[in-house]
Parts: sequence; structure tokens; C-alpha cells
Amino acid sequence: QVQLQQWGAGLLKASETLSLTCAVYGGSFSAYYWNWIRQSPGKGLEWIAEINHSGSTTYNPSLKSRVTISVDTSKNQFFLRLTSVTAADTATYYCARGRAGPHMDVWGKGTTVTVSS
Amino acid sequence: QSVLTQPPSVSGAPGQRVTISCTGSISNIGTAYDVHWYQQVPGTPPKLLIYGDNNRPSGVPDRFAGSKSGTSASLAITGLQAEDEAHYYCQSYDSSLRVVFGGGTKLTVL
Repeated sequence: QVQLQQWGAGLLKASETLSLTCAVYGGSFSAYYWNWIRQSPGKGLEWIAEINHSGSTTYNPSLKSRVTISVDTSKNQFFLRLTSVTAADTATYYCARGRAGPHMDVWGKGTTVTVSS
Repeated sequence: QSVLTQPPSVSGAPGQRVTISCTGSISNIGTAYDVHWYQQVPGTPPKLLIYGDNNRPSGVPDRFAGSKSGTSASLAITGLQAEDEAHYYCQSYDSSLRVVFGGGTKLTVL
């Protein structure tokens, strides 16, 4: 059964860079797309980006200028980098496996990131 | 402002049927992109509830059903149970080349 384990710094200062890692355990890594989604406190879900094993990416246009998603197939891991963070980037960030549709069928537990000014 | 519009809250008594609407536009649901639904209990990640408009992943009770028509979709929950109390989110794909979510609906079981 596939599991997604994620980690990264939970407290950042404004203008710093957010970096998160998601490791995929079990199942195929190459057969799927891999996503990052975030949820601001008390708010809804916002899709950030997706990537496949060969590095093909798609970004949310509203975040594209600050976001980089990347992958390390040798470790079955994918990464999120968000530059120049502000308080508006304070959120719980989730990694998730993408299926056709597209939709996300397996989610990580989430990493809470707080940006202080 | 979410691309997909959901009612902020719905409620129902145990055993009743409730529906949650998800309204989009011609650039997403109306273009025949699939609609998916997630259930989220506070403090936990979203759980896939319905995919491809009306398909249930293994383990999801048949009390949950999805439907779609035109630029809208709906999630119906029959035989409401206390454990169904959660937030529900619809999700689709938009012609702007991105995944889009509804703002979420809080279901209260009275």
C-alpha cells in the first residue's frame, strides 16, 4: 500500500524560501503524477503543481513565478520550492498522488508552514 | 474566491439524505472534465470520496453518490451518520491548465 511521507521546515520568515520533500513508499513511482496542494488556515484547498517521473510539470498560474516542483526518481521523492514567501503562504502543505481525471487518491499527512514577518 | 462554488454549509439529521452542490463554468465542469469529491475531517488530510463524477474508491460506502449535469455536479449522502460530519470539497480541471477546487462545504449532522 502506497504511503506518502513529507517533511520540511515549519517556520519561515518573510522573503525566505519554502522547501518540502515528499517520499513515496510502496507502489509504482513512475506510473503517476505527483502533486502539491495547500490549505490556508480555515480555508479551502489550493492546487500548487504536479510532476511526473520524467520531470514533466504543470503549475498553478497564480503561483508559477515562485514555484518549482522537482523529482528524484532514484529516491522516489519529489520536492516543492516556493520562493519569497509571505504571510499569505502560511498553510498546511500536502503532497498527493495524481490519477487520471485528474484527481488525487493518496495524500500525505501534511506539513504546517508558518511564515512570520 | 474559488473557481468552483459550493454552499458553505449543509445539515441533516441521522438517517436523512443531503446533497452538496458544486457549480462551475464552461471552462471546467461544462467542458466535460471529471468532477471528484473529497471528505476532510479537521486535522486530517482530504480523503478521496468520489472520482470520475460518480465512482467510489474501494472502501467508500454506497451511501455516497456523485452526479453531474451541465456546469454543475452534486454529492448525495443517504442514510446520514454522525461519522459523516466533515468538510466536503469538489474538484475538477479547468481549461486554464490547472486543477481547481470548490471552497468546501461543512456538513453538520444534527
